[in-house]
Amino acid sequence: DGGITQSPKYLFRKEGQNVTLSCEQNLNHDAMYWYRQDPGQGLRLIYYSQIVNDFQKGDIAEGYSVSREKKESFPLTVTSAQKNPTAFYLCASSIHSYTGELFFGEGSRLTVL
Amino acid sequence: QQQVKQSPQSLIVQKGGISIINCAYENTAFDYFPWYQQFPGKGPALLIAIRPDVSEKKEGRFTISFNKSAKQFSLHIMDSQPGDSATYFCAASGGSGNTGKLIFGQGTTLQVKP
Repeated sequence: DGGITQSPKYLFRKEGQNVTLSCEQNLNHDAMYWYRQDPGQGLRLIYYSQIVNDFQKGDIAEGYSVSREKKESFPLTVTSAQKNPTAFYLCASSIHSYTGELFFGEGSRLTVL
Repeated sequence: QQQVKQSPQSLIVQKGGISIINCAYENTAFDYFPWYQQFPGKGPALLIAIRPDVSEKKEGRFTISFNKSAKQFSLHIMDSQPGDSATYFCAASGGSGNTGKLIFGQGTTLQVKP
């Protein structure tokens, strides 16, 4: 089955700790994206990558970092610099960066205690 | 100019009724307007999408109406069913240097009462 796998589904961390969320896709898509979802605010873009070894900041990149060493993987690190990290994080991919149609994973819910 | 404004924030409809969700945008370079459906605890999934060369697109009970001059588009769900209860997001993308990244509306939580 082709798709996007995010892990873990739920994650609890203490304030001040860095956490890394995993995103893997076997769709052979070039582009990958990380969105953050908060109630009443829709989905906001954190980072995106159009090709391997390249990525760009989205609208709310502060306090986050990513890497794209392999086509199928796009992990997101939530650093201690992120002031309000508790949220639902969604990873997505698209065939090419210009097609517009995104395929989403099931999300990771991060709670910082 | 990159915003997409969505309304209402929440909507309650009786089974069999019509659900209508509206979105407005400002960037005239946008050329792709999808709607995503999200069930609790899941990621969004593409429901239906339209490009500005047509004014309406219908897929089953779901219809997008697009008004280019008003820079508005809407989702109509005919014969709404309890299984349609979900959060709906409109989105837009396109323009110079298009990276495919979608700008999402704030979302509408739809509840269809049996």
